[in-house]
Amino acid sequence: EPEVTQTPSHQVTQMGQEVILRCVPISNHLYFYWYRQILGQKVEFLVSFYNNEISEKSEIFDDQFSVERPDGSNFTLKIRSTKLEDSAMYFCASRGQGDRSPLHFGNGTRLTVT
Amino acid sequence: EDQVTQSPEALRLQEGESSSLNCSYTVSGLRGLFWYRQDPGKGPEFLFTLYSAGEEKEKERLKATLTKKESFLHITAPKPEDSATYLCAVQARTGTYKYIFGTGTRLKVLA
Repeated sequence: EPEVTQTPSHQVTQMGQEVILRCVPISNHLYFYWYRQILGQKVEFLVSFYNNEISEKSEIFDDQFSVERPDGSNFTLKIRSTKLEDSAMYFCASRGQGDRSPLHFGNGTRLTVT
Repeated sequence: EDQVTQSPEALRLQEGESSSLNCSYTVSGLRGLFWYRQDPGKGPEFLFTLYSAGEEKEKERLKATLTKKESFLHITAPKPEDSATYLCAVQARTGTYKYIFGTGTRLKVLA
């Protein structure tokens, strides 16, 4: 069964450093998402991406965040200058073309900012 | 504002003891309601989609139902391997792409 893959599984970085989280969505999916989950809290929407542009973003997704689809298979989330409060699990998800298609998630990247 | 509330926060069951998890939602028109299972350190795993009131979906020991204000995930004769966090998410109809998640119910099934 096709799946969403994310790398790395765990990233440790120092405050103020830039990080790039990588995702390979399911190959025939067209809608891509990033969510985050702080330990013990809910899964929170960050951004959705379709047709090479951001379709929607949350208040969390400020100027420190950016997304990119650099080629036909990868989808990345960049955090320019990490803060302690960015420590969380970051999940990539993708979905098919139908309006009511479910999201399919990767297993996440655990980001630890020290 | 669109909201999803799940209850209870945590639930402990004996193996074979059936129960139900609740997901209440307030959205400006519902496009779809989704149930997921999440194991520790993993991403949410899709279980069911429900579109309209009265709809039901089943998979093994799980059955999801939907009304105009809430959804239930019924677990019949659970086994220890059903232990996980169960998440509910909604997609609103008003031209939004995002899926809004509840805080989940942590289920522990004891042998």
